[in-house]
Amino acid sequence: AQSVTQLDSQVPVFEEAPVELRCNYSSSVSVYLFWYVQYPNQGLQLLLKYLSGSTLVKGINGFEAEFNKSQTSFHLRKPSVHISDTAEYFCAVSFQGAQKLVFGQGTRLTINP
Amino acid sequence: SAVISQKPSRDICQRGTSLTIQCQVDSQVTMMFWYRQQPGQSLTLIATANQGSEATYESGFVIDKFPISRPNLTFSTLTVSNMSPEDSSIYLCSVGDRAGDGYTFGSGTRLTVV
Repeated sequence: AQSVTQLDSQVPVFEEAPVELRCNYSSSVSVYLFWYVQYPNQGLQLLLKYLSGSTLVKGINGFEAEFNKSQTSFHLRKPSVHISDTAEYFCAVSFQGAQKLVFGQGTRLTINP
Repeated sequence: SAVISQKPSRDICQRGTSLTIQCQVDSQVTMMFWYRQQPGQSLTLIATANQGSEATYESGFVIDKFPISRPNLTFSTLTVSNMSPEDSSIYLCSVGDRAGDGYTFGSGTRLTVV
């Protein structure tokens, strides 16, 4: 079955600390991978995407993610977080280029001063 | 990327009534999607709307409850019919013609049914 799992529902970190938000998927077909951010009372904004090529992709706001095919993972990282990074982060997958996106459960990132 | 205007941004409705949500895009797009985000949950696709054809609904969603219109390449509406408190959610529209491009989302409609 095709599914997306975000392993952490909440991640609290201190300001300027590094953070990793985990995403794993289950699929026997090729995938496109995405990370979206949702700030309070707003819609979703695309952070970054992996389609093919280099497994390390860089996105907006200093975020990056690494595609690991053998571990079927696409973890999101940032070396130093800021208060303004407080938001909900969603991993999403398109299976075999399908138009439909399947979303993970979301991870709430909270930055403490 | 496309810019989406979604209206209303929020509403409080009485049970048994219906609400129509509008999604206007600033460019022509083939594919439009409607999602539901229940409180504290992730996004679930309701249906895919292509211009000139019937919307395609996901498992668990039916046209009688969530009728969709797509009169042209820049506009779509989603109606939530005969509402109950369980319909209280954020409803989002999204557009994107190719999966690899990623998708653009509207700011959402926060619906509360009382």
